[in-house]
Amino acid sequence: QSALTQPPSASGSPGQSVTISCTGTSSDVGGYNYVSWYQRHPGKAPKLIIYEIYKRPSGVPNRFSGSRSGTTASLTVSGLQTEDEADYYCGSYGGNYNLVFGGGTKLTVL
Amino acid sequence: QIQLVQSAGGVVQPGASLRLSCAASGFPFSGYAMHWVRLAPGGGLQWVATISHDGRSQHYPDSVQGRFTISRDNSKNTLYLQMSSLRLEDTAVYYCTNSGYDSPWNIDYWGQGSLVTVSS
Repeated sequence: QSALTQPPSASGSPGQSVTISCTGTSSDVGGYNYVSWYQRHPGKAPKLIIYEIYKRPSGVPNRFSGSRSGTTASLTVSGLQTEDEADYYCGSYGGNYNLVFGGGTKLTVL
Repeated sequence: QIQLVQSAGGVVQPGASLRLSCAASGFPFSGYAMHWVRLAPGGGLQWVATISHDGRSQHYPDSVQGRFTISRDNSKNTLYLQMSSLRLEDTAVYYCTNSGYDSPWNIDYWGQGSLVTVSS
């Protein structure tokens, strides 16, 4: 069982927006700004798309945005494209020198 | 560009040992904390180990503490994960990652993954 809770699946049509949640506790998501999101296409390594709650690495489209409210972080993908179909994982610093992750959300572009 | 090239994994029996390596390039390896993270079949990501930039401190979750050892050779720009007393539940794809954006707790780049299968 993963430390952070994500919905197992999400979907949307091309051009639509979809939001994926990541629920933790005050000891991880709610307690530190080190919340990240990763995209993983089948058979590939994960790729960082959001770090420190809302910051985007260079080269990541601004269609991807992150936010946090309390102990829940969210990833929003706007203007869905077919290439956005992938697994998405959240991660957070969990205090006491450890990292915690979510179980992953499979995003389907209909 | 930043590259993390991992060694092949393997198929081992329960109780066996295995060492993974990760060759880093494209960034000043000795200046960054490094991590191992695994992805079990049908499961989520799980943190496995962290080592400081100078190798002086290491951290592990309870699930691998005492069985896994993370180490690094900054002269060779290489990260290692020594796994012993392997269990069925250690079956996963193991990824080495670097840290970035001015914090050891921001995972940035990931290696290509090493499949470790523990089976009798």
